[in-house]
Amino acid sequence: EAGVAQSPRYKIIEKRQSVAFWCNPISGHATLYWYQQILGQGPKLLIQFQNNGVVDDSQLPKDRFSAERLKGVDSTLKIQPAKLEDSAVYLCASSLGLAGGQGLETQYFGPGTRLLVL
Amino acid sequence: SQQGEEDPQALSIQEGENATMNCSYKTSINNLQWYRQNSGRGLVHLILIRSNEREKHSGRLRVTLDTSKKSSSLLITASRAADTASYFCATGVHDMRFGAGTRLTVKP
Repeated sequence: EAGVAQSPRYKIIEKRQSVAFWCNPISGHATLYWYQQILGQGPKLLIQFQNNGVVDDSQLPKDRFSAERLKGVDSTLKIQPAKLEDSAVYLCASSLGLAGGQGLETQYFGPGTRLLVL
Repeated sequence: SQQGEEDPQALSIQEGENATMNCSYKTSINNLQWYRQNSGRGLVHLILIRSNEREKHSGRLRVTLDTSKKSSSLLITASRAADTASYFCATGVHDMRFGAGTRLTVKP
């Protein structure tokens, strides 16, 4: 079974530039998550999709971050414009998203995209 | 949901020794999960323990859960150099919250 795919693996940009990350979840997984992991910290959930609908984006800085999952499969996360403090690893994860799963589902993580903003 | 907090922040042991990491949380949970992250990689799910379970084993891993103390522990027995990684506990339903993790170093 193929895992969660992410690209690019690394990105270096200057502040105020725009950047986009792509994620392809495990086939059949309805739920998709984007996390931001700053060096030395645990992952912080940015946004959660159930199919193509947003379930939770309470921690997404909406003035500069946006995400979409138009067809309920692939997803893109965009930062526009980037700030120095956005330097982090951006992790995508997916899970089956069974209704009534009661949170007993495992999340499968991709390798992440390491972003450096100069 | 609220996040778990791991303790200690860093742990260094010799190969063959056991490693114990702790996690504390603040509110009621349905389950608690432990994940491992090797340097520069994504997280890998290790084990899930439900709120009505007290102990769970998986290979060299042993997880305990004490809901009265709102705490969990992860024990890795007979550690190996390959166990060197960061370990995170996570609570919550789908909107999991992670702590800062315990950085484990196993010296050969």
